[in-house]
Amino acid sequence: QSALTQPPSVSGSPGQSITISCTGTSSDVGYYKYVSWYQQHPGKVPKLIIYDVTTRPSGVSYRFSGSKSGITASLTISGLQPEDEALYYCSSYTRSNTWVFGGGTKLTVL
Amino acid sequence: EVQLVESGGGFVQPGGSLRLSCAASGFAFSRSDMHWVRQPTGKGLEWVSVIGAAQDTYYSDSVRGRFAVSRDNARNSLYLQMDSLTVGDTAVYYCIKDLEGAFEIWGQGTTVTVSS
Repeated sequence: QSALTQPPSVSGSPGQSITISCTGTSSDVGYYKYVSWYQQHPGKVPKLIIYDVTTRPSGVSYRFSGSKSGITASLTISGLQPEDEALYYCSSYTRSNTWVFGGGTKLTVL
Repeated sequence: EVQLVESGGGFVQPGGSLRLSCAASGFAFSRSDMHWVRQPTGKGLEWVSVIGAAQDTYYSDSVRGRFAVSRDNARNSLYLQMDSLTVGDTAVYYCIKDLEGAFEIWGQGTTVTVSS
């Protein structure tokens, strides 16, 4: 159950777009559509922002979008806003009937 | 309102046991898969366990054989029995409702500290 690979940090200026990658294997990200993304502000509980690779839960901004190619999933945030500054985690279901998270990516809005 | 409220965390010595509880409300608990996820202070998220609506259970390698997840649908409650605890189990433990393989609704978490 190795963790998914995310960049430790990304940054962007307000209004710009950024993309966070999440690389797994053919037994998790590459095998299933069950990839999800979470936003966590300091001291807060994580919040689901994308599930099933591309689906936004009700109430999540359209500025958040997800995609997948092979064993790599991606989260794109467009029109960066100061409140987007947070930690972002990806997760995937695996062929072992378990789940795995990425190590997290800290987004800094410059 | 959909709500999950964890309890049972605390301080325990290595080798000890704790039982976490999670009270669910506002959704069809008996039809929902439920997870436990933990997060050590200042670190990332780690999936711990899942129990399906059909009572099937799965665990991470790090807790298999030491932790046991269960549910009482009559009480809308989820449990995590944790035995043979180690310092590495120190974390905030979250109870979570599943949505198509994603962690949809999170509780506020309960803190477990394992230390001598």
